[in-house]
Amino acid sequence: AQSVTQPDIHITVSEGASLELRCNYSYGATPYLFWYVQSPGQGLQLLLKYFSGDTLVQGIKGFEAEFKRSQSSFNLRKPSVHWSDAAEYFCAVGARSGNTPLVFGKGTRLSVIA
Amino acid sequence: DSGVTQTPKHLITATGQRVTLRCSPRSGDLSVYWYQQSLDQGLQFLIHYYNGEERAKGNILERFSAQQFPDLHSELNLSSLELGDSALYFCASSVATNNRGYGYTFGSGTRLTVV
Repeated sequence: AQSVTQPDIHITVSEGASLELRCNYSYGATPYLFWYVQSPGQGLQLLLKYFSGDTLVQGIKGFEAEFKRSQSSFNLRKPSVHWSDAAEYFCAVGARSGNTPLVFGKGTRLSVIA
Repeated sequence: DSGVTQTPKHLITATGQRVTLRCSPRSGDLSVYWYQQSLDQGLQFLIHYYNGEERAKGNILERFSAQQFPDLHSELNLSSLELGDSALYFCASSVATNNRGYGYTFGSGTRLTVV
């Protein structure tokens, strides 16, 4: 069964600084990979997803993520963080066959300071 | 607005009671997934329906049940509620019966508080 680890529970960055949120997965083959963002009181919004092909994926709001098969990682990055990026970020993994639903990591809470 | 509608947004009820959470999927989506989000457990998959049929079950308690109706809306029924059932319950929808890389579209959730 697949699993997802987000090692950082909480990260604080300064506005304008770069950001990298880590995600490691466990799966027997190459899975589908996703990053979602959850603002307070809101549902989860899809930021980006990896299907296949180019390992650097562009998403909404200026985010990107890089799939590294050798490291079983799918880290999320943003070159310059804005105060509105403060939220909870979830990495998720999906199997390429069968009916297994998406499995989510426990999330990383991002705080942005001035 | 994601297109996935969940009602009610908030629910406060007493232990031992029964509640029903409702979800209308995004137009055209046939799959509905229910997840429970709590501080200590994160997002836990409960159950998946596709076009009215149950397709997968996660760590769903026997006190919980769900169904998907012909108009594709889904209801999650929680009975004999306990304090530990207090959580945010999300519904998500997808066009496919399995992942196929589409991802899910989430509703804004129902916050259940059991007192």
